[in-house]
Amino acid sequence: AQTVTQSQPEMSVQEAETVTLSCTYDTSESDYYLFWYKQPPSRQMILVIRQEAYKQQNATENRFSVNFQKAAKSFSLKISDSQLGDAAMYFCAYRSNFGNEKLTFGTGTRLTIIP
Amino acid sequence: DAGVIQSPRHEVTEMGQEVTLRCKPISGHNSLFWYRQTMMRGLELLIYFNNNVPIDDSGMPEDRFSAKMPNASFSTLKIQPSEPRDSAVYFCASIRDSYTEAFFGQGTRLTVV
Repeated sequence: AQTVTQSQPEMSVQEAETVTLSCTYDTSESDYYLFWYKQPPSRQMILVIRQEAYKQQNATENRFSVNFQKAAKSFSLKISDSQLGDAAMYFCAYRSNFGNEKLTFGTGTRLTIIP
Repeated sequence: DAGVIQSPRHEVTEMGQEVTLRCKPISGHNSLFWYRQTMMRGLELLIYFNNNVPIDDSGMPEDRFSAKMPNASFSTLKIQPSEPRDSAVYFCASIRDSYTEAFFGQGTRLTVV
């Protein structure tokens, strides 16, 4: 079974600075997807970024980028120019590309932005 | 698109009562998921449907929980009888196909007293 580990329960960053959230996962599969979801206090789950395992290039979405290290099974999220609106819980998630479409989530990292 | 719609947003019920949570997935999406979020256990999958058929219900806690998807536009999660330990936020999510991301509803916060 796949597992996702987020070892940082809480992180904080000064506004306008850069922060990196860590995620590692365990799988025996070679083809899968990885996601970062954001959950603000409104509790809505919002997709931040996705990465296909077969792609070597790291995904980027505006201020958000990932460092995907397939051999190390690592998938970190970098947030540049942090803004107050980035304050939220961030969840890393894994999904297989072999039949079962369920998402397996990490335990989350609570990100605080310091003005 | 209206997104995934869940109802109710909040539910408070007494122990022993039946609770029904509802979900309308995004039109055209083929798979639907029910997740439960608690402080202790995080986000855990309860059940997922593909083309209205239950594919993986290994996360359903016990016989008190049941889920149905009678058609492509509607699903229910029922708890009967409810217990205080069922208190959680229940999310519904849907995906179009295996290559796309999941979209979540706003969740139902269930409190069983």
